[in-house]
Amino acid sequence: NAGVTQTPKFQVLKTGQSMTLQCAQDMNHNSMYWYRQDPGMGLRLIYYSASEGTTDKGEVPNGYNVSRLNKREFSLRLESAAPSQTSVYFCASKSTGGGTEAFFGQGTRLTVV
Amino acid sequence: GESVGLHLPTLSVQEGDNSIINCAYSNSASDYFIWYKQESGKGPQFIIDIRSNMDKRQGQRVTVLLNKTVKHLSLQIAATQPGDSAVYFCAETRNDYKLSFGAGTTVTVRA
Repeated sequence: NAGVTQTPKFQVLKTGQSMTLQCAQDMNHNSMYWYRQDPGMGLRLIYYSASEGTTDKGEVPNGYNVSRLNKREFSLRLESAAPSQTSVYFCASKSTGGGTEAFFGQGTRLTVV
Repeated sequence: GESVGLHLPTLSVQEGDNSIINCAYSNSASDYFIWYKQESGKGPQFIIDIRSNMDKRQGQRVTVLLNKTVKHLSLQIAATQPGDSAVYFCAETRNDYKLSFGAGTTVTVRA
């Protein structure tokens, strides 16, 4: 039982490059989330998906796109990376129906130069 | 904008003492308030939650208090241990889906 798996763990991009951060969960959770974590800013919600086939914007969606490929997978895409997107990205999943415990991946440390 | 926020970014506690971490919130429509702990290099982990219609909930060595009058949430850790050193986040859920976090308090336990 792996929980939430994120790939890659580390990535360096040049400004303007694109990439996709992958996330998969094996807990049969309906809801999935992408956050970014910057020093002193806590965890800020980028996008979330309440269930397969639906996605919603969070607090800081600009510059990102997401795809809920199936119930297990929720990917985050940067179409044209900018230095302001240098951050640690966390994916999480949570059951619905009153559950509040979200399970997080180990994070992806992204540097845009 | 941020709907939950923390009062202090850092807290230093003597081992064995009790810790109190505070959080303010602005959204009265939240369903649950939750506390998470993040150790260095890891993703956050769930500690305890409290439903918005409750005032107090206790877990193992932790107690969460919710004051809806002043929109304040606190996490109390009894007999703080070195393993409690981490960043603590308060969070809230709305409509069972959206999960939003505050900025975090870094707790350092002094031996």
